[in-house]
Amino acid sequence: EADIYQTPRYLVIGTGKKITLECSQTMGHDKMYWYQQDPGMELHLIHYSYGVNSTEKGDLSSESTVSRIRTEHFPLTLESARPSHTSQYLCASSGWSSGELFFGEGSRLTVL
Amino acid sequence: QQQVKQSPQSLIVQKGGISIINCAYENTAFDYFPWYQQFPGKGPALLIAIRPDVSEKKEGRFTISFNKSAKQFSLHIMDSQPGDSATYFCAASGRVGANNLFFGTGTRLTVIP
Repeated sequence: EADIYQTPRYLVIGTGKKITLECSQTMGHDKMYWYQQDPGMELHLIHYSYGVNSTEKGDLSSESTVSRIRTEHFPLTLESARPSHTSQYLCASSGWSSGELFFGEGSRLTVL
Repeated sequence: QQQVKQSPQSLIVQKGGISIINCAYENTAFDYFPWYQQFPGKGPALLIAIRPDVSEKKEGRFTISFNKSAKQFSLHIMDSQPGDSATYFCAASGRVGANNLFFGTGTRLTVIP
């Protein structure tokens, strides 16, 4: 069982609110990722990090931002949520040389 | 542009039957092809993976078949069980451990008793 945790699991908020999705892993992995998943669509990488103080944007443009101040923690923030941000957000981590991604259970965001 | 094309979108198989999911790619630089399994309410989990230097890899009831010249790979689930009911994603990347894994759109498999 992978030790990667996401909170909240479900969030319903109004337009314009600031939200932070939390992601923590206890496996000591250097690499962490945020994917966006919509029904019937592929997972799209929106952010990744190779380690502390390292963050990069993925192939899908996103208005969200991320930070990596601690190895185990990789939060995602939306400063002003909009209905177009409604989606499931999946956090993942991996070891440096391993191709295996360990995913959290996801945070399902609904913006009204 | 979709890097990995996956079909079918959904699949219903009788218990004990064979489930087959197909994927195709264009980028010849892809060098690592994993399959992920996702149950409802859970994140995807690695099921099995293959490198292009072999044409087939088998783990229990799950087999990946790889056709490098056709740029296609498929997942076969033998003796399908109701517990296999899940969404399956194929994926590809330039190398093991690459920062970006390109996923297919997923196949929702339902195995009926």
